[in-house]
Amino acid sequence: NAGVMQNPRHLVRRRGQEARLRCSPMKGHSHVYWYRQLPEEGLKFMVYLQKENIIDESGMPKERFSAEFPKEGPSILRIQQVVRGDSAAYFCASSPASGTGDGQPQHFGDGTRLSIL
Amino acid sequence: LAKTTQPISMDSYEGQEVNITCSHNNIATNDYITWYQQFPSQGPRFIIQGYKTKVTNEVASLFIPADRKSSTLSLPRVSLSDTAVYYCLVGDPGSYQLTFGKGTKLSVIP
Repeated sequence: NAGVMQNPRHLVRRRGQEARLRCSPMKGHSHVYWYRQLPEEGLKFMVYLQKENIIDESGMPKERFSAEFPKEGPSILRIQQVVRGDSAAYFCASSPASGTGDGQPQHFGDGTRLSIL
Repeated sequence: LAKTTQPISMDSYEGQEVNITCSHNNIATNDYITWYQQFPSQGPRFIIQGYKTKVTNEVASLFIPADRKSSTLSLPRVSLSDTAVYYCLVGDPGSYQLTFGKGTKLSVIP
């Protein structure tokens, strides 16, 4: 999974605190996706961003969650006032263009494991 | 999105060929079939993708029958390091929302 860099790898927060997860896409990739994975489950789509634009946030909870991909710097997934149910692995993926077919799969980072005390 | 069904788990001995079959009865005309591999504490890694017949790369082969209602991922001569969860995904190439099921947990035994 070299290429898509996520940090931190592990993050511990107390209930009510804020969590910030960072993702730097692969070089040359301008499309970023965030997914959440609960234990023993598959990944669930959260949001799709391009530089300075949110394209689709249909998988994001309506409250407390936000994402951005600024012109400069990494993409950020922000969770405000965290609760125990936010504990999960959060994965970022990137691609050179939208879509998954025709030889342009999404490349994933190794995730951030968020634990809420 | 086409629903996929694959075995929850499989065991295999080292050196054997492993075939994991995925059913996708309502696959659409434009859908591709993609397989990802995920090791513990890592993100999914793209293995192979195909539309019909057979696709082969340095890691695996993907067999897709003419009706495309199923597909089989074939891993030749597995080793302990192939122990992982394997996900079958079906979707339109223009779709960016990857839908992961629970996958197949492959355990390779020495």
